[in-house]
Amino acid sequence: TQLLEQSPQFLSIQEGENLTVYCNSSSVFSSLQWYRQEPGEGPVLLVTVVTGGEVKKLKRLTFQFGDARKDSSLHITAAQPGDTGLYLCAGAKRGTGFQKLVFGTGTRLLVSP
Amino acid sequence: KAGVTQTPRYLIKTRGQQVTLSCSPISGHRSVSWYQQTPGQGLQFLFEYFSETQRNKGNFPGRFSGRQFSNSRSEMNVSTLELGDSALYLCASSPHGGTNEKLFFGSGTQLSVL
Repeated sequence: TQLLEQSPQFLSIQEGENLTVYCNSSSVFSSLQWYRQEPGEGPVLLVTVVTGGEVKKLKRLTFQFGDARKDSSLHITAAQPGDTGLYLCAGAKRGTGFQKLVFGTGTRLLVSP
Repeated sequence: KAGVTQTPRYLIKTRGQQVTLSCSPISGHRSVSWYQQTPGQGLQFLFEYFSETQRNKGNFPGRFSGRQFSNSRSEMNVSTLELGDSALYLCASSPHGGTNEKLFFGSGTQLSVL
């Protein structure tokens, strides 16, 4: 059962364009993490959001956690080729106690020069 | 600090065989988690170990097992391999395995079952 749906699945854009990736669920999460994975490597954590409505910025990347803690978005401003990769959201469910992340379906981003 | 190290990097096996994958966490990290990544199913949680004890387990058959040693290094074993076990197996470590802790992933072991 896939609890976290990401959209779009694939995105191919030109350098300088803006984009938004969505991560949606019918479940409530205690926190949500965003990762970027490059070919041949493991995912690398970008950010963790914990509070409903929270907005975090990491240079040109803006992350938002939904008020109800069921969804999140990642917005990239003026995308660069270095942003290319697989973006994954991952939720931690309240009550599991220990770390057991549920990963989203992933969004593959290609930024062309 | 050295990152999470997984060995081997690539592995080719045939159906019915068994395989053991190794993971060395970041020094000082006591929690090790294992994930399976496939194009169709994405990243799925296998199990998590802390201080040599399995604390959490995903929905995988009993053919998938693991263990953790006193130095926090971990191994996972898959017996009676099936074609569908072909995947990238990722190991991740964190200090205590708390719900909101940052996970540090290794580069993975790419397993191909023929």
